[in-house]
This record gives sequence, C-alpha cells and structure tokens, in this order.
Amino acid sequence: GAVVSQHPSWVICKSGTSVKIECRSLDFQATTMFWYRQFPKQSLMLMATSNEGSKATYEQGVEKDKFLINHASLTLSTLTVTSAHPEDSSFYICSGVGVLNQPQHFGDGTRLSIL
Amino acid sequence: GIQVEQSPPDLILQEGANSTLRCNFSDSVNNLQWFHQNPWGQLINLFYIPSGTKQNGRLSATTVATERYSLLYISSSQTTDSGVYFCAVRSGGSYIPTFGRGTSLIVHP
Repeated sequence: GAVVSQHPSWVICKSGTSVKIECRSLDFQATTMFWYRQFPKQSLMLMATSNEGSKATYEQGVEKDKFLINHASLTLSTLTVTSAHPEDSSFYICSGVGVLNQPQHFGDGTRLSIL
Repeated sequence: GIQVEQSPPDLILQEGANSTLRCNFSDSVNNLQWFHQNPWGQLINLFYIPSGTKQNGRLSATTVATERYSLLYISSSQTTDSGVYFCAVRSGGSYIPTFGRGTSLIVHP
C-alpha cells in the first residue's frame, strides 16, 4: 500500500528553537497534504491543508506564522514550528492524498517535546 | 459541517471476543475510512469504504451510505487489536476529512 514517511519521529529541544518536520510520500504523488495535531486521548485536530505549489490553508485558531507549511513538490511537505514553546509540545501527524476519491495515508507521527 | 459520532467511546474485551464499532455521520459522504491507532501512535489504514462491505482477515466493515452509518467488526479479538479506532469521512467536493472522536479498545489476555 501507499507509504508516507515522516521524520523525525521524536524531537526534544529547548524553548525558542525552531523544529522542522518532513513528510514524504514514497510511492504516490500527494496532491494534498494534511497536517494534524493530537493531544493525549483526543482525536486528530486538523491544523492545515496544503496543495502542491500553493500556500497552505490553515484552520481557524492555528497561527500560520507559528506553524509554517511548505509543499514544494508532489512528494514532500514540511511543517516548521517556529520559536517553539512548551505549549507547542504535542504529537504531529501528516497525511497525504493523491486525488479526491482516494484514501489518505498517514505518516507515523512526530512527538515534539519542548523543554 | 458534517458531524461524525463514534460509539462506544470505550470498549474492554477478553481475548477471543467479537465486537462491533459504529460510526454515524450527519450528511452524505463520498469517502469513508477506518483507521487503527496503535499504542505507539501509528495510524494504520484499515478500510477505505464509502459504501458496501469489505473483509480483511478478522476485520470487516460495512457502510450503509443511505442510512449514514458504518460498522467495523472485529472477530476473535487479540491483544494487538488494542488501541483507538477512528472513522474519518469526506463529503461533497471537499478534500477535508472529518474525524470521529474514536473508540478506545483494550483487549485483555
């Protein structure tokens, strides 16, 4: 089946650091990438939707200057958490979809801990 | 927007038992997926099933689109089935998936 590779899987860093998370679709072209955030024992919360070559569309309440999303190619999207603070600590997950009527495929997630 | 409700929210089973998880949605959908999130956080795609019935080993799923629900059946449950099961739908011409709150399953040996 389709594979999405997400790196890193775990990040621990100091407050004020910027962290970049990569999401690559390995065997399909991800026209659209979704970025989610998940708090413990909760469902996935959609942060933003990005289409290849376009600016990302952010959900209400998500700071676009805080969470920079780039989707420069059909196989790579990145999420950069800028000047991270402890409240940004969370589990971040990406998913990719090729065309509208196809299933979405998830990366394995990134656990971000800001000290 | 579309509402997605999953039931039950929590389920505890003895190994070998069968179970049925339900996903109700408030509008017509053109895309429905069932996922299993394991204890390490990985989301495994179980079924892409906007309508009809599919089976994969001990798991099967049925979506009755006209009645706006989907069921996930787990037979002869194993401890490795533990985790959270999510239903996610897309409706209309939207790419945006809407997730249910999940069913947390614990299977005891």
